[in-house]
Amino acid sequence: GDSVTQMEGPVTLSEEAFLTINCTYTATGYPSLFWYVQYPGEGLQLLLKATKADDKGSNKGFEATYRKETTSFHLEKGSVQVSDSAVYFCALSTSNTGKLIFGQGTTLQVKP
Amino acid sequence: GAGVSQSPSNKVTEKGKDVELRCDPISGHTALYWYRQRLGQGLEFLIYFQGNSAPDKSGLPSDRFSAERTGESVSTLTIQRTQQEDSAVYLCATEPRGSNQPQHFGDGTRLSIL
Repeated sequence: GDSVTQMEGPVTLSEEAFLTINCTYTATGYPSLFWYVQYPGEGLQLLLKATKADDKGSNKGFEATYRKETTSFHLEKGSVQVSDSAVYFCALSTSNTGKLIFGQGTTLQVKP
Repeated sequence: GAGVSQSPSNKVTEKGKDVELRCDPISGHTALYWYRQRLGQGLEFLIYFQGNSAPDKSGLPSDRFSAERTGESVSTLTIQRTQQEDSAVYLCATEPRGSNQPQHFGDGTRLSIL
């Protein structure tokens, strides 16, 4: 079945460091891909998305490119801030119902 | 506010009891999803409602789990004869009609089974 695999956390970085969180997927058909973020004490919210191959989603300095050839959607940010500390979830949707299949989440901790 | 509202925010109950969780969708959002998030894991899809269509129940883990929604209104998720492995955060998400629309998540109900 369809699945999403994320790099295990926690990921601990210093402020202004470069961030990559790896995400790969297995899916039949042509999924839409998403990154969701859950800040401490807050609900899950959409960070960015891409709906077809080679699309790049971007938001708040984060980017991810839909790579069909490597079935990947890695999240990157050039310079992280303490306020980026959160749990990041990669997800896909293939069905016309829109249900999301999530990875297990990666905790990011950014230290001053 | 105008977001997805879930209640209660926390629920502690004894093994074997029934529990009912509630989700109030954003007005006008026709699609509604329930997910479960166990500690340290990603979200698992449970059930999907879209208007008056038959729900997609393919993610419900056992027949102890059921959910109701009338039209585009409130949804309730019921867990009967709760077990300790049911302990999790139960999240509701809604989205407006149309493709490629983001899902809006509630803050969840944290369920603890003693």
